[in-house]
Amino acid sequence: DADVTQTPRNRITKTGKRIMLECSQTKGHDRMYWYRQDPGLGLRLIYYSFDVKDINKGEISDGYSVSRQAQAKFSLSLESAIPNQTALYFCATSDAHWSNEQFFGPGTRLTVL
Amino acid sequence: QKEVEQDPGPLSVPEGAIVSLNCTYSNSAFQYFMWYRQYSRKGPELLMYTYSSGNKEDGRFTAQVDKSSKYISLFIRDSQPSDSATYLCAMIRTSGTYKYIFGTGTRLKVLA
Repeated sequence: DADVTQTPRNRITKTGKRIMLECSQTKGHDRMYWYRQDPGLGLRLIYYSFDVKDINKGEISDGYSVSRQAQAKFSLSLESAIPNQTALYFCATSDAHWSNEQFFGPGTRLTVL
Repeated sequence: QKEVEQDPGPLSVPEGAIVSLNCTYSNSAFQYFMWYRQYSRKGPELLMYTYSSGNKEDGRFTAQVDKSSKYISLFIRDSQPSDSATYLCAMIRTSGTYKYIFGTGTRLKVLA
């Protein structure tokens, strides 16, 4: 079974809808991250969490919110989706003592019409 | 100016060629340097990491860091069609505000 899972894998939604993307991990890592990937812009950090009580904004957090429900679960919400949030979203985890390596999930392809 | 610059490619080479992938950066506070490989429809996976200036070798792959020039490279020897992927450089600053930043990625295609 995959160590980092994301649901859904694909989602098409309409402008103004609320969307939640979920991430679960079985690696036992404390640190979790949400990125979006766009052609020509690469991976950009949306939010990150170093433990259950710690939430930090990344470089592009506007329009997004997160919830760290447990060590193993980190969800990303788009409160009112807009077309420029169409992208590939990745969740990642890392160990607190060796955080140089991040382990990525398979990604969620989100399309906002 | 972006903190990390990476040529997006695409780069097409014949099988067996030596491939050179590069990134430049502007922030001298970056301490760790990584290369990730991302296959189509998959998440990135760590390929190599380095801390200091110099070379690090792992099989057909060599990572090179030149901190004085703020330049990092990944060399792939005897390239194979299975090396076809997008390669992303990444850098970390741990002093002050934590920062983990990726390059935009270079798409590589190795032709059989």
